[in-house]
Amino acid sequence: GAGVSQSPSNKVTEKGKDVELRCDPISGHTALYWYRQSLGQGLEFLIYFQGNSAPDKSGLPSDRFSAERTGGSVSTLTIQRTQQEDSAVYLCASSQQGGRAYEQYFGPGTRLTVT
Amino acid sequence: ILNVEQSPQSLHVQEGDSTNFTCSFPSSNFYALHWYRWETAKSPEALFVMTLNGDEKKKGRISATLNTKEGYSYLYIKGSQPEDSATYLCFLAGGTSYGKLTFGQGTILTVHP
Repeated sequence: GAGVSQSPSNKVTEKGKDVELRCDPISGHTALYWYRQSLGQGLEFLIYFQGNSAPDKSGLPSDRFSAERTGGSVSTLTIQRTQQEDSAVYLCASSQQGGRAYEQYFGPGTRLTVT
Repeated sequence: ILNVEQSPQSLHVQEGDSTNFTCSFPSSNFYALHWYRWETAKSPEALFVMTLNGDEKKKGRISATLNTKEGYSYLYIKGSQPEDSATYLCFLAGGTSYGKLTFGQGTILTVHP
């Protein structure tokens, strides 16, 4: 079946512009995660959605970052007034249920470059 | 903040060698440990999720063990093949935040033919 998809695959933007990154999780998966990997760094948790519950936003690095998940499916990560330090690969993952003991299925990522 | 340490950072082995690497984590507040394989230009792929002390899981030539009392997990690869070359990541689910996972930096494995 279809896996997690993300778009765009690559995004180059100028400092100060806003960007939107999209994630389509696997159909029926109730949990959705956003992560990022900056150059030379490990994976960093950003935000977690589970069903209709309030999202866990504790990993968002600043108030320029926001995310929403419409209809319990597609999610959009928005970065406002992008900075060079926002350059990273942004990964989305979904899992069948929200518990942390369930394996996650990752999308191919969006590589964001802020010039 | 939960510290998850993976060692070694990188490893070079010859085809056919068996190898293992370690994920260390605080033994308090443990909920689950995940192992993922991340090949270049691909997405991370789940290998194992372990929750119980003493868990041992196996998938083909790859296996993992878990010791929650002392705070470590080992990943073993038997008879390494070039296609095993990847970054192996461990994720710790712990703490009080339901969705949060803490990641190790990964072990980069290169298997030479």
